[in-house]
Amino acid sequence: DAKTTQPNSMESNEEEPVHLPCNHSTISGTDYIHWYRQLPSQGPEYVIHGLTSNVNNRMASLAIAEDRKSSTLILHRATLRDAAVYYCILVSNFGNEKLTFGTGTRLTIIP
Amino acid sequence: GAVVSQHPSWVICKSGTSVKIECRSLDFQATTMFWYRQFPKQSLMLMATSNEGSKATYEQGVEKDKFLINHASLTLSTLTVTSAHPEDSSFYICSAQRGVARETQYFGPGTRLLVL
Repeated sequence: DAKTTQPNSMESNEEEPVHLPCNHSTISGTDYIHWYRQLPSQGPEYVIHGLTSNVNNRMASLAIAEDRKSSTLILHRATLRDAAVYYCILVSNFGNEKLTFGTGTRLTIIP
Repeated sequence: GAVVSQHPSWVICKSGTSVKIECRSLDFQATTMFWYRQFPKQSLMLMATSNEGSKATYEQGVEKDKFLINHASLTLSTLTVTSAHPEDSSFYICSAQRGVARETQYFGPGTRLLVL
């Protein structure tokens, strides 16, 4: 499975934008980049995913590097409810659809 | 939409007993369901993948005779931890997927199991 690398932890002030980086230098051409987050004591929830182009939804934006070897999840205005562990996961377009969770980035929001 | 429930949300049992955890997709049909386990301060580890009407596919190192998975319908999968021991104490999370590859997975809220 292609591997991702994320910082173990990050802090951000409330109401400011947050940029969560993810490196995936061994990504293949058919791998999608998915982001999930896990709030304390809950199951993960889907945030966003993309292939090549930048993506926006109501939760976040995903900026994908031109060579696809890295991506950045952008929370435009962090709130205390965004405090969670964020996982960047590569999902193959072929074969099984299982998710391999790494250690993720623990995001702390400072009031 | 795309809500997944788990029952029970937490359970305490004695060593040697069996525990059944249910995972339901409430507003969609799930062709595939996944079971994960998460120990404190660790990430999620996939245990098995199940498709409706067929045998589950277990990840390497997961004992299929200890963790019985039944995916009896398109909205229900169950995980039974047989002869539970304290080392099985963990946070068990299921997810459900609607269909084709790349479809997002919708996760349940998790079941916390404590074996005494």
